[in-house]
Amino acid sequence: DVKVTQSSRYLVKRTGEKVFLECVQDMDHENMFWYRQDPGLGLRLIYFSYDVKMKEKGDIPEGYSVSREKKERFSLILESASTNQTSMYLCASSWIGQGQIYEQYFGPGTRLTVT
Amino acid sequence: AQSVTQLGSHVSVSEGALVLLRCNYSSSVPPYLFWYVQYPNQGLQLLLKYTSAATLVKGINGFEAEFKKSETSFHLTKPSAHMSDAAEYFCAVKSTLTFGKGTMLLVSP
Repeated sequence: DVKVTQSSRYLVKRTGEKVFLECVQDMDHENMFWYRQDPGLGLRLIYFSYDVKMKEKGDIPEGYSVSREKKERFSLILESASTNQTSMYLCASSWIGQGQIYEQYFGPGTRLTVT
Repeated sequence: AQSVTQLGSHVSVSEGALVLLRCNYSSSVPPYLFWYVQYPNQGLQLLLKYTSAATLVKGINGFEAEFKKSETSFHLTKPSAHMSDAAEYFCAVKSTLTFGKGTMLLVSP
């Protein structure tokens, strides 16, 4: 079974703090993704990475950065947390297809509250 | 750009009734389409995917979806709802996964 784990299920941080969300996958997937999920808005892609040290902006990258130093680990960084970043954050991973599209495997999510 | 539209943010059915969750896509190329389910306080898990091999796709837990190119639709169905099907369902297109906004399925006894 593919496993994607996230470092925390619940996190409470103060405005202005630097926040690290960690994601680890154990299936040697090339692709990794960070989404945020908000009621009524569905999932929105923040960043994704298709290889170590490679990253691409998604739909809503402002206020976030990412790091991928090892293939299995993908970190999301909030440089200076703000209240509008209170959300559920979901990490996912998938293989890169050769003419095939592969589904994503998701972690359980981190519910971040910024006060 | 590819996009998906899910009609209805909430759908309510009685236990044993037909489940129909609607998804329409826009894509200028043959799409890859997915349905995911999210149970409370969990991540998303794949229900089924369409990759052009067959228009009727069977997934887990008795769900299936039919790809209709003429209608640009990929609706999710289940003949008989169970209480355990209560969850949020997401339609998605292609592999970076543009998601719909989700449909919450409520099942009453």
